[in-house]
Amino acid sequence: DAGITQSPRHKVTETGTPVTLRCHQTENHRYMYWYRQDPGHGLRLIHYSYGVKDTDKGEVSDGYSVSRSKTEDFLLTLESATSSQTSVYFCAIRGDGGENQPQHFGDGTRLSIL
Amino acid sequence: KNQVEQSPQSLIILEGKNCTLQCNYTVSPFSNLRWYKQDTGRGPVSLTIMTFSENTKSNGRYTATLDADTKQSSLHITASQLSDSASYICVVRPNTGNQFYFGTGTSLTVIP
Repeated sequence: DAGITQSPRHKVTETGTPVTLRCHQTENHRYMYWYRQDPGHGLRLIHYSYGVKDTDKGEVSDGYSVSRSKTEDFLLTLESATSSQTSVYFCAIRGDGGENQPQHFGDGTRLSIL
Repeated sequence: KNQVEQSPQSLIILEGKNCTLQCNYTVSPFSNLRWYKQDTGRGPVSLTIMTFSENTKSNGRYTATLDADTKQSSLHITASQLSDSASYICVVRPNTGNQFYFGTGTSLTVIP
């Protein structure tokens, strides 16, 4: 398995509180991604990173911010969590070997906003 | 409308039987098409990746086919095992941009 760890694995919090999810990789891969997975939807891209301090928005980026200060860590922050952000969040990494490299996913963080 | 549609939504088969999962997409032009397996409570794991110029790719008992003219792909599972019970997700990567288009998956249950 690719060395990718998400933390926490589960979190329950209240509306309006800030939440930060962490993705840590040991593969030294350049590309890192944050997705959310909801029933009835395919995985949807929130933000991605193509290097340290280089990030860009995905299709569902509203209400989320990210930071990547080191190659191995990609943080996803919900500044003020809302119930619509209840979801399972997956981090993925991809190496530099071109467009046909697979994405390797972490095992997800199940986040509940009450 | 989702650009990647998968069918059936769910499927139950007996252990040892074969099955075929379908993926229809509208993403065009595209760079590659991927199939992932996602076990309950885990992240997706890559099974196959096919470029637009390939029409088949195998990984053990899993064989993916691609017809770029009709924009269809299928994943064939041979001699199913209980451990094949999972969700199978079709993903299309367009030629430009950093987006991946994910289907909603087919939930496969293999019963003894």
